[in-house]
Amino acid sequence: EDQVTQSPEALRLQEGESSSLNCSYTVSGLRGLFWYRQDPGKGPEFLFTLYSAGEEKEKERLKATLTKKESFLHITAPKPEDSATYLCAVHLPPSASKIIFGSGTRLSIRP
Amino acid sequence: DVKVTQSSRYLVKRTGEKVFLECVQDMDHENMFWYRQDPGLGLRLIYFSYDVKMKEKGDIPEGYSVSREKKERFSLILESASTNQTSMYLCASSPSVGGRGTQYFGPGTRLLVL
Repeated sequence: EDQVTQSPEALRLQEGESSSLNCSYTVSGLRGLFWYRQDPGKGPEFLFTLYSAGEEKEKERLKATLTKKESFLHITAPKPEDSATYLCAVHLPPSASKIIFGSGTRLSIRP
Repeated sequence: DVKVTQSSRYLVKRTGEKVFLECVQDMDHENMFWYRQDPGLGLRLIYFSYDVKMKEKGDIPEGYSVSREKKERFSLILESASTNQTSMYLCASSPSVGGRGTQYFGPGTRLLVL
């Protein structure tokens, strides 16, 4: 069965304390892996799409990497405004609707 | 920038009412989606549309229908609202570019059914 698992469920960091969020997947085929940020009461905001193992993308304090079995979202020197839930999703063949979301990691950054 | 808008941020309805949620995207995307998001259950796909007047059921279509008369607009209809349809409803769109379509989400509609 296709599955996406995010860990940890929740993470509390001190401002400036770098860490990584994990998204592991067991799927039959991968068209793409997406990372989103979601603030309370709002829709997910797109961050990155990764397509193949070894690919990396960066945006400000965030860097996403992809291997054949998992993706990491690295957060360097986070600030309180980085507090949010981070969602991972995988896009599977054959259709655009075949997208499986993880349950998310709730990240809290203390000043 | 891709923009996906939803007609309401908050809605309160009575059991048995017919409810319309509307979604509009401005990027000429072929694909549009309706999800609901509940604590502990994550995002679940209700319906998907890959073209005007074309639709597919998602994982939880019961109690819902959809309409897509124009490419930019995708409506979700709750035929007879029930309390178990209280949820956050999210619309998304994606392009069909070689099958590699990143989804872009609207701000969400929080629906309360009393």
